[in-house]
Amino acid sequence: RKEVEQDPGPFNVPEGATVAFNCTYSNSASQSFFWYRQDCRKEPKLLMSVYSSGNEDGRFTAQLNRASQYISLLIRDSKLSDSATYLCVALGAYGQNFVFGPGTRLSVLP
Amino acid sequence: EAGVAQSPRYKIIEKRQSVAFWCNPISGHATLYWYQQILGQGPKLLIQFQNNGVVDDSQLPKDRFSAERLKGVDSTLKIQPAKLEDSAVYLCASSLGWGQNGYEQYFGPGTRLTVT
Repeated sequence: RKEVEQDPGPFNVPEGATVAFNCTYSNSASQSFFWYRQDCRKEPKLLMSVYSSGNEDGRFTAQLNRASQYISLLIRDSKLSDSATYLCVALGAYGQNFVFGPGTRLSVLP
Repeated sequence: EAGVAQSPRYKIIEKRQSVAFWCNPISGHATLYWYQQILGQGPKLLIQFQNNGVVDDSQLPKDRFSAERLKGVDSTLKIQPAKLEDSAVYLCASSLGWGQNGYEQYFGPGTRLTVT
């Protein structure tokens, strides 16, 4: 079993739709979580950090369920510019053991 | 604020040759990371430095890969000898390394390596 798994995608949604991605992690010692977005042939860029039960930033909401060991990312009112691959990251204790998931690709269609 | 700098951006070498990548992190960031990203996969952590000490190198193939951060600022990653399966993008990232947001990583543009 991989340490961090994500919805395989791709997700193809129309503009204005709401879309949710799931991410599960196997290391129960994981302390912090992050969502990054990565555009084609570009570096990952930090989208959101999740340290407690969740976080919200504009159209983006992340929720953490420690009991079930999953994190979700919700995007409301999707824009064309949201098209990218979304990477889930789990961080272990003491700032070590960063593990990226394989990513979920999103295409927002006009 | 300047971001993470990496060079070169692209490199093509033949198998069994050696190659080196350079990274300069964001000023003041104590933690530096090297990742390998193969097409279609998420980044895989190769090595993590805190200042000039190694925190995690459990996934670094030490028979051919080496990395150093001698003065606790910039870093080099070397592959010697290269294999075909080393073809990937090598990403460098840095973070503050302390405080609540200390592990939020900022990535450089990466070096795209092709081994023929």
